[in-house]
Amino acid sequence: DTGVSQDPRHKITKRGQNVTFRCDPISEHNRLYWYRQTLGQGPEFLTYFQNEAQLEKSRLLSDRFSAERPKGSFSTLEIQRTEQGDSAMYLCASSPGVSVGLFFGSGTQLSVL
Amino acid sequence: KNQVEQSPQSLIILEGKNCTLQCNYTVSPFSNLRWYKQDTGRGPVSLTIMTFSENTKSNGRYTATLDADTKQSSLHITASQLSDSASYICVVLPNSGNTPLVFGKGTRLSVIA
Repeated sequence: DTGVSQDPRHKITKRGQNVTFRCDPISEHNRLYWYRQTLGQGPEFLTYFQNEAQLEKSRLLSDRFSAERPKGSFSTLEIQRTEQGDSAMYLCASSPGVSVGLFFGSGTQLSVL
Repeated sequence: KNQVEQSPQSLIILEGKNCTLQCNYTVSPFSNLRWYKQDTGRGPVSLTIMTFSENTKSNGRYTATLDADTKQSSLHITASQLSDSASYICVVLPNSGNTPLVFGKGTRLSVIA
């Protein structure tokens, strides 16, 4: 097990296009989180899954954003009709329990031109 | 409102010197407080996790302290190395169900030769 894996590492897209990111958590971690981080800021919570159930969703997650974790393992985050303001690092993290630290992936850096 | 404030925003020190980073939080009650190190372009990596009953925890040259009465934590780095250059993020887990982690904006540390 090599930790949380995110793909792609970098994504450049034109405004209006759709993008999808993938996260493979550490195996047997039932909790999976998506965060967004812009330069000089801490990560901002987007959404949280426990197994396949999406239990929490930030108001930051507009209707253009959707996340899934269909089998309780990997997760995808899709952004439709991207805007320049969506440019950020999208971080995925997994955890075996709330009292244990989050294990982050290296993130997907999105640039919307 | 749950908040985590970190200071200084950025810091430059000479290799071999010690430094202390500060974290003040208003999250109450809280379950635990974490310090993460984030290298540029990478996801955060956990350094320490402390519950409200712990006063200090060490991880090599990193020592975190916690004063739950004043709601302050510090991260002390001893004998700094060039590889310590990174952002250090203070994170608090509220003790209230599925409330997301509260992240500080981080302190950007640069260690120079």
